[in-house]
Amino acid sequence: DVKVTQSSRYLVKRTGEKVFLECVQDMDHENMFWYRQDPGLGLRLIYFSYDVKMKEKGDIPEGYSVSREKKERFSLILESASTNQTSMYLCASSLRDREVSQPQHFGDGTRLSIL
Amino acid sequence: KQEVTQIPAALSVPEGENLVLNCSFTDSAIYNLQWFRQDPGKGLTSLLLIQSSQREQTSGRLNASLDKSSGRSTLYIAASQPGDSATYLCAVFNAGNNRKLIWGLGTSLAVNP
Repeated sequence: DVKVTQSSRYLVKRTGEKVFLECVQDMDHENMFWYRQDPGLGLRLIYFSYDVKMKEKGDIPEGYSVSREKKERFSLILESASTNQTSMYLCASSLRDREVSQPQHFGDGTRLSIL
Repeated sequence: KQEVTQIPAALSVPEGENLVLNCSFTDSAIYNLQWFRQDPGKGLTSLLLIQSSQREQTSGRLNASLDKSSGRSTLYIAASQPGDSATYLCAVFNAGNNRKLIWGLGTSLAVNP
């Protein structure tokens, strides 16, 4: 079974702090994704990565950056946390398939509160 | 621009009922459609993936159909159980927007004992 592990289930940080959310997958997947999920807005893609040291912006990258130094690890960074970044953050991974997508496998999510 | 709609937003049924969840999308140029389940406060679990060339997929009591030309998919749950209570989301993998899923807002299902 694919295992996607997010480092924290709940996190409380203060405005202006630099926040790191970590995600690790154990199935050698090439693709990794970061989403945020908000009531009434659904899942929105922040960043994704197809390979080590490679990243692409999703639909809402502003205020975020990512790092993928190793294949199994994809980190989301909030450079200077703001209250509007309070949300549920979900990491996912999948095999690379340029013709037809593979199912994405999700972690349990990190509920982040910015005070 | 692809848009995915799920109706109803919430559904409450007695245990044992067969039920249908609906998903519609505006652009039929898709690679596939996926159904996911999300338990409260948790991540998503992939249930079924239907390729654009397929009409349906089955897994246990779940059956998902796809009618690409009309932009519709249904998730059929047979003999519902309280453990099926969760939010069900559908997402399409757009042919014109490769490597990104376009998500619906989900249907929140409550199965009452």
